[in-house]
Amino acid sequence: EAQVTQNPRYLITVTGKKLTVTCSQNMNHEYMSWYRQDPGLGLRQIYYSMNVEVTDKGDVPEGYKVSRKEKRNFPLILESPSPNQTSLYFCASSSGTSVSIPVQQYFGPGTRLTVT
Amino acid sequence: GNSVTQMEGPVTLSEEAFLTINCTYTATGYPSLFWYVQYPGEGLQLLLKATKADDKGSNKGFEATYRKETTSFHLEKGSVQVSDSAVYFCALMNQAGTALIFGKGTTLSVSS
Repeated sequence: EAQVTQNPRYLITVTGKKLTVTCSQNMNHEYMSWYRQDPGLGLRQIYYSMNVEVTDKGDVPEGYKVSRKEKRNFPLILESPSPNQTSLYFCASSSGTSVSIPVQQYFGPGTRLTVT
Repeated sequence: GNSVTQMEGPVTLSEEAFLTINCTYTATGYPSLFWYVQYPGEGLQLLLKATKADDKGSNKGFEATYRKETTSFHLEKGSVQVSDSAVYFCALMNQAGTALIFGKGTTLSVSS
């Protein structure tokens, strides 16, 4: 089954304790992205990757890192989490990017992170 | 810059009622437009899309028409069901094709 998986689905942690949220897709997609969803703000892009070893900042990258060493994986790293990073995080992937012919983005189930 | 504005929720309807969720956008050029749906506890699913002016996207009884003159992409359904209860997001693709720009989401609650 074609899917985007995220782990963990729920995480409660403390300020400053490094954590990684994993994202994996089995569709051989080149493009992957991370979004965060906050009440009243919708989803905002954190980072994206056009292919292996190619990453770039989205609208809200501060406090986050990513890596893309393999095509299928795109982990999100919080080196020193803070309470304002408490949010619902979604990973997404697609087979490419095009302005004129939109390519469907597939979303993972989400990771709910609480930083105390 | 790019932005999407959706009507505030929650929207509460009885089964078989008519649904409209308003969406307007600000963008350079003519971006592709999308409606995504998020059921409780799940990720986002693409509901429908439109790529150019006057295009109508449709799926599962939902429709939306790309209106260039009013920069709008309103979501409609003639007869909602309890199973349509979810959060609906309007979105546009940025010029580079690298990101979706989302509205804040509209919660729909349908009762029987």
